[in-house]
Amino acid sequence: DAMVIQNPRYQVTQFGKPVTLSCSQTLNHNVMYWYQQKSSQAPKLLFHYYDKDFNNEADTPDNFQSRRPNTSFCFLDIRSPGLGDAAMYLCATSRGGTSYEQYFGPGTRLTVT
Amino acid sequence: GNSVTQMEGPVTLSEEAFLTINCTYTATGYPSLFWYVQYPGEGLQLLLKATKADDKGSNKGFEATYRKETTSFHLEKGSVQVSDSAVYFCALHTGTASKLTFGTGTRLQVTL
Repeated sequence: DAMVIQNPRYQVTQFGKPVTLSCSQTLNHNVMYWYQQKSSQAPKLLFHYYDKDFNNEADTPDNFQSRRPNTSFCFLDIRSPGLGDAAMYLCATSRGGTSYEQYFGPGTRLTVT
Repeated sequence: GNSVTQMEGPVTLSEEAFLTINCTYTATGYPSLFWYVQYPGEGLQLLLKATKADDKGSNKGFEATYRKETTSFHLEKGSVQVSDSAVYFCALHTGTASKLTFGTGTRLQVTL
């Protein structure tokens, strides 16, 4: 089945230690998104790629970076995680063009110790 | 700007009860509307969608009708099950932007 895959599902990192979360998709979609979701809240968009074009949200901290080396993969790098960065991180894709319904991965739950 | 307003949760229902979760929106142009469901510990799943006025989206017994006159897209189900317990998000997309605007989510708890 075509899908959005996130690895790992659970990640523990130390305060200030860089961490990378990964996302891959077999849908061949043009757009890939990274969201942060804290408990009982709506997902908060951090940034997205439309093909190779990177689009950062105005309120996304500089501590968060992203890479998309090819159509299938997208990475979220947190350079110096703080305790406030503990959250569920969701990757999503959409076809783009005139179709913007999004397909989500299962998420990576990040714990910062 | 665009915004989505959902009813406050949690909504607690007995199994087989009728469900309504209200969603209203403010948008420029003619948005597409979506309902997503998030089960505990998982990502969001697209539940249903409607792309123009008077369209009805339906899936797994859930329905929602795009009402332009009342700018609403309320989610309904005739008989809920315990397995429907989840958080439901209403969302919209409009124009050429690549992103969705989400509501705050409504938690549904169904009990036996």
